[in-house]
Amino acid sequence: EADIYQTPRYLVIGTGKKITLECSQTMGHDKMYWYQQDPGMELHLIHYSYGVNSTEKGDLSSESTVSRIRTEHFPLTLESARPSHTSQYLCAIGTGTYEQYFGPGTRLTVT
Amino acid sequence: GQQLNQSPQSMFIQEGEDVSMNCTSSSIFNTWLWYKQDPGEGPVLLIALYKAGELTSNGRLTAQFGITRKDSFLNISASIPSDVGIYFCAPSGGQNFVFGPGTRLSVLP
Repeated sequence: EADIYQTPRYLVIGTGKKITLECSQTMGHDKMYWYQQDPGMELHLIHYSYGVNSTEKGDLSSESTVSRIRTEHFPLTLESARPSHTSQYLCAIGTGTYEQYFGPGTRLTVT
Repeated sequence: GQQLNQSPQSMFIQEGEDVSMNCTSSSIFNTWLWYKQDPGEGPVLLIALYKAGELTSNGRLTAQFGITRKDSFLNISASIPSDVGIYFCAPSGGQNFVFGPGTRLSVLP
């Protein structure tokens, strides 16, 4: 198990604004993931990282970007938010096998 | 590409009933995981299966890793209202993993 934190939990923002969603963990796990999920729908992997300075795009194309400067943090940034970015964004850490542990998510609404 | 299906897509049951759902794939996997997502929260790992044919229980939950390594089922006995949510299977193998489309469970009082 691992403690994983996401902030903010809810964000309502206007079109064109730059936003950063924070994800942090306390246990020093190398593997971290970002998923995008519309309410009640499938999970779509948009970014992942297997360690510091390592980031890859996931299965779903996303206009967001990520960075992994420190093991503990894996922030996701949208340079110019649009209504189509409205969704829930979930961060997860991966343990030594295949298990993933998810944060509570950030529900983003772009008006 | 690989196809991963979960059945049923959604189900409505009466409190106290048993639930059965399954996940099938066109590919072979080495691990099958089952997650549950409560409304407004992130998914939580329920059960992990690491060997073909393995049958594992966790309280009222029972899951099996199919002998062909292409499927898995999850059963919930004596459902209660807090069982409501989305259940995702997540098989993996090598560096690859995938989440199924989910089974949405509603429990009627």
